[in-house]
Amino acid sequence: GEDVEQSLFLSVREGDSSVINCTYTDSSSTYLYWYKQEPGAGLQLLTYIFSNMDMKQDQRLTVLLNKKDKHLSLRIADTQTGDSAIYFCAENEGSQGNLIFGKGTKLSVKP
Amino acid sequence: ETGVTQSPTHLIKTRGQQVTLRCSSQSGHNTVSWYQQALGQGPQFIFQYYREEENGRGNFPPRFSGLQFPNYSSELNVNALELDDSALYLCASSVTLNTDYEQYFGPGTRLTVT
Repeated sequence: GEDVEQSLFLSVREGDSSVINCTYTDSSSTYLYWYKQEPGAGLQLLTYIFSNMDMKQDQRLTVLLNKKDKHLSLRIADTQTGDSAIYFCAENEGSQGNLIFGKGTKLSVKP
Repeated sequence: ETGVTQSPTHLIKTRGQQVTLRCSSQSGHNTVSWYQQALGQGPQFIFQYYREEENGRGNFPPRFSGLQFPNYSSELNVNALELDDSALYLCASSVTLNTDYEQYFGPGTRLTVT
């Protein structure tokens, strides 16, 4: 079955770059996503990448996709304390609106 | 702010009871998906509604049911509550099926079953 794997924790210093990694199994996924969840809140769509792209940049965020290895990463440049949150990688499954999520990576940013 | 709202924010129910959770999608969004997020886990897909019809379902039993209304609101109903149903329930709306790659989530309803 489909599975999305992420490391559970990442700690960085303010101003450094953060790189959150994800692997997925469904090679037919059309889109791959990064969502952010702050404590007690819902999910915020950060960015997504179409499966025929290798890279997408959006301000401080850079998404890299390696389809051969089924590896997705999110780089946050100049990480700020406000970036502290849980980041979820997700892939879509067909047209049923079924997003498959990883367990999330908790990013802690130290001043 | 995604424009997606959910009510109530928190809810406590007893095992065996029934619960109804509500979601109001962004205006013009005719597709809504519901997810269950257990503590420490990623969200899991329950089902999706498109134009008031169920369009897909995840691995959840029939006691999880839904409704979608013409005014872009929807409900998730859970019968015969079990302790494991304690979770954050999220709804997500998208403009239409062909654009369901952009799903916008509400803040969720935290359900506790005792």
